[in-house]
Amino acid sequence: GENVEQHPSTLSVQEGDSAVIKCTYSDSASNYFPWYKQELGKRPQLIIDIRSNVGEKKDQRIAVTLNKTAKHFSLHITETQPEDSAVYFCAASNDYKLSFGAGTTVTVRA
Amino acid sequence: EPEVTQTPSHQVTQMGQEVILRCVPISNHLYFYWYRQILGQKVEFLVSFYNNEISEKSEIFDDQFSVERPDGSNFTLKIRSTKLEDSAMYFCARDRVQETQYFGPGTRLLVL
Repeated sequence: GENVEQHPSTLSVQEGDSAVIKCTYSDSASNYFPWYKQELGKRPQLIIDIRSNVGEKKDQRIAVTLNKTAKHFSLHITETQPEDSAVYFCAASNDYKLSFGAGTTVTVRA
Repeated sequence: EPEVTQTPSHQVTQMGQEVILRCVPISNHLYFYWYRQILGQKVEFLVSFYNNEISEKSEIFDDQFSVERPDGSNFTLKIRSTKLEDSAMYFCARDRVQETQYFGPGTRLLVL
């Protein structure tokens, strides 16, 4: 089955700086890569996703890049704000079943 | 506004008891999923349900688990004989477009 590795496990950034989270996947058939943000005690919320026919996607301060050859994808958050503090999960799917990474706890210091 | 609602929000049960978790879609969807998240860990796929049938299940989804859509609307996850290690958040999800999955608010299950 699919195995998704996510790094780093924790990330502390100064407000206004950028944050980058990286994931690798094992199944070359995976073609859909969403990112979820989870605040404490809440459900995972989809923040951005990318499909295998696209190399990059941007939504305001959030961007995701995908390298299918290397089987890795990344989340970039620019101009971080305190409300960006949360756990971020990457996931990969090729058959409607999401396989999640272990998560990155992002702390934005004011 | 959640895409699906889940009941109950919290459930405490004794080991060995049966629990039924419910997921109620806001509108008609064909694909539903159950995931679980043990405290502090990643989200894990349990089962996908399409057109009133299981389409895929994980190794976690053993004979203790079952899913149903008993009335064509509610979507249930049943754990027949709960174990301590079943304590987790259980999320129902459904897709809107292709594989884009939106999670419900979850049910926190505590097995004592």
